[in-house]
Amino acid sequence: DAGVTQSPTHLIKTRGQQVTLRCSPKSGHDTVSWYQQALGQGPQFIFQYYEEEERQRGNFPDRFSGHQFPNYSSELNVNALLLGDSALYLCASSTGRRHEQYFGPGTRLTVT
Amino acid sequence: AQSVTQLDSQVPVFEEAPVELRCNYSSSVSVYLFWYVQYPNQGLQLLLKYLSGSTLVKGINGFEAEFNKSQTSFHLRKPSVHISDTAEYFCAVSEPNQAGTALIFGKGTTLSVSS
Repeated sequence: DAGVTQSPTHLIKTRGQQVTLRCSPKSGHDTVSWYQQALGQGPQFIFQYYEEEERQRGNFPDRFSGHQFPNYSSELNVNALLLGDSALYLCASSTGRRHEQYFGPGTRLTVT
Repeated sequence: AQSVTQLDSQVPVFEEAPVELRCNYSSSVSVYLFWYVQYPNQGLQLLLKYLSGSTLVKGINGFEAEFNKSQTSFHLRKPSVHISDTAEYFCAVSEPNQAGTALIFGKGTTLSVSS
């Protein structure tokens, strides 16, 4: 049973560029959440997708956007990258209204 | 707004000693509570959860936690730690009646187990 997978593993981008991160949820899960984890900090909630709609959003600017596909996989897009966007981006999946979430290994984004 | 405070940023302990990692949350409503562990360069793994029922919750790897509503705490304990327990531990909370199921995390506690 495959767990949550994310791609790519690592990514280096330049300020002002745009980036797309991808996530496939655990088998049987239909809800995907994205978190940003800065170095030495706890994860911060970006947004959550369910039934291809953004169901909940954290305190992140509009530069952060997402999408969920009919197969429940998801993308996180970040426009106009800033140095402060450098972080580990974690994807988590869950089922419907269940609150326990299962995390992928993350994508390490470095903005130079 | 919800917040989670992990009272100790670092906890050093010797192998086979007991350990307690402290977590307090701020909420006047019912909450769900979680502990996650993160090993170096990896994602988060769910250790245990409290949704309802018994306030003493048992998780994987010999960990347990006790929900105390009056003190708004959810401390994590293990009676005897191993070197392999060295990792970052995160306490998290979510609210049952919000639109989604977002988790709010604390800043984490680094558990360092030495021989």
